[in-house]
Amino acid sequence: AQKVTQAQTEISVVEKEDVTLDCVYETRDTTYYLFWYKQPPSGELVFLIRRNSFDEQNEISGRYSWNFQKSTSSFNFTITASQVVDSAVYFCALSDDTGKLIFGQGTTLQVKP
Amino acid sequence: DSGVTQTPKHLITATGQRVTLRCSPRSGDLSVYWYQQSLDQGLQFLIQYYNGEERAKGNILERFSAQQFPDLHSELNLSSLELGDSALYFCASSGGEWHEKLFFGSGTQLSVL
Repeated sequence: AQKVTQAQTEISVVEKEDVTLDCVYETRDTTYYLFWYKQPPSGELVFLIRRNSFDEQNEISGRYSWNFQKSTSSFNFTITASQVVDSAVYFCALSDDTGKLIFGQGTTLQVKP
Repeated sequence: DSGVTQTPKHLITATGQRVTLRCSPRSGDLSVYWYQQSLDQGLQFLIQYYNGEERAKGNILERFSAQQFPDLHSELNLSSLELGDSALYFCASSGGEWHEKLFFGSGTQLSVL
């Protein structure tokens, strides 16, 4: 069965610190897609990134970067120089062959000024 | 704005009642997904429709049902409501391909008193 585990329930950092959110997944599929979504206090789910299983290149987008390691079934997310506006719940997800997303439990990030 | 519209935004009702949540997908999207978000269960997949047909089913209770209409909007019906059904219900849409990202609506907050 497919599963996504985000072991960190809550993380608290001070502004400008770097923070890494962990994500470990389980799947028997050889081709799969991984996602990160952000849920700010306002409640909506905002797409951040999609990565397919064939592309292990790390990706950087501004202060955000993602490290995909197939060998350890991990897809970790790092925020560099965190800001208060980064405070949110972050979800890692895995897609199955119907297109639905299987989400992890989420990591609540609090960035203090 | 994701382009996915959910109504109503908030719903307060009593145990034993029945409610209908409505979702209009992004223009052109054929697939609609329903998710339930509660504090203890996280983001749980309920059901998926593709072009009017049910495509995948998750842990959806028998008291819950959904459908997708010819104009592609979808409704989630919750009946014989219990206190534990209080949650944030999200609708998402995509083109329907298995690797696509999902666009989420802003959710319907259901409170069962």
